[in-house]
Amino acid sequence: GENVEQHPSTLSVQEGDSAVIKCTYSDSASNYFPWYKQELGKRPQLIIDIRSNVGEKKDQRIAVTLNKTAKHFSLHITETQPEDSAVYFCAGGRLGGSYIPTFGRGTSLIVHP
Amino acid sequence: EAQVTQNPRYLITVTGKKLTVTCSQNMNHEYMSWYRQDPGLGLRQIYYSMNVEVTDKGDVPEGYKVSRKEKRNFPLILESPSPNQTSLYFCASSPLAGVNYNEQFFGPGTRLTVL
Repeated sequence: GENVEQHPSTLSVQEGDSAVIKCTYSDSASNYFPWYKQELGKRPQLIIDIRSNVGEKKDQRIAVTLNKTAKHFSLHITETQPEDSAVYFCAGGRLGGSYIPTFGRGTSLIVHP
Repeated sequence: EAQVTQNPRYLITVTGKKLTVTCSQNMNHEYMSWYRQDPGLGLRQIYYSMNVEVTDKGDVPEGYKVSRKEKRNFPLILESPSPNQTSLYFCASSPLAGVNYNEQFFGPGTRLTVL
């Protein structure tokens, strides 16, 4: 089955800096990679995703990049703000009739004002 | 409003006392799943279901049971809870067929403490 590794487990940045979270996956057949944000005491929610036919996707201050050859994908947050502080989870899997996502262990991002 | 609901939200119980955590979704999703979240271990899948009467083990199924008699409901059953099942539990659902992306919709979570 799929195995998703996520690093770092904790990331501390100053407001306005960029933050990068990296994930690797093992199953070369995986083709869908979502990212979830979990604020303190709340449920995880999808913030951005990427499919394997795309190398990069942006949505305002967040972007995700995918390197299929190396089997890794990354979340980039620019101009970080205190409200970006949360736990971020990556996931991977094969999109289709039997999609079962495998989650990384999460990254706790702390943005200091 | 499209949503996933879980009940109860908080539960303190004692070892060995059977309990059920309910999960319901109103989005007609085929796929439903249970996760437990523990510090440093992320989201670990307990059981999942592809559709009615179709369930399968996830990564940490020991000590848990599930059923999927109706499409909207996916209860998690702990027949004889033990302290190592103290955790935060999330139910999630998503569509399967005919989609080119897949968002997992999570419930609000159930904080379970087993004494």
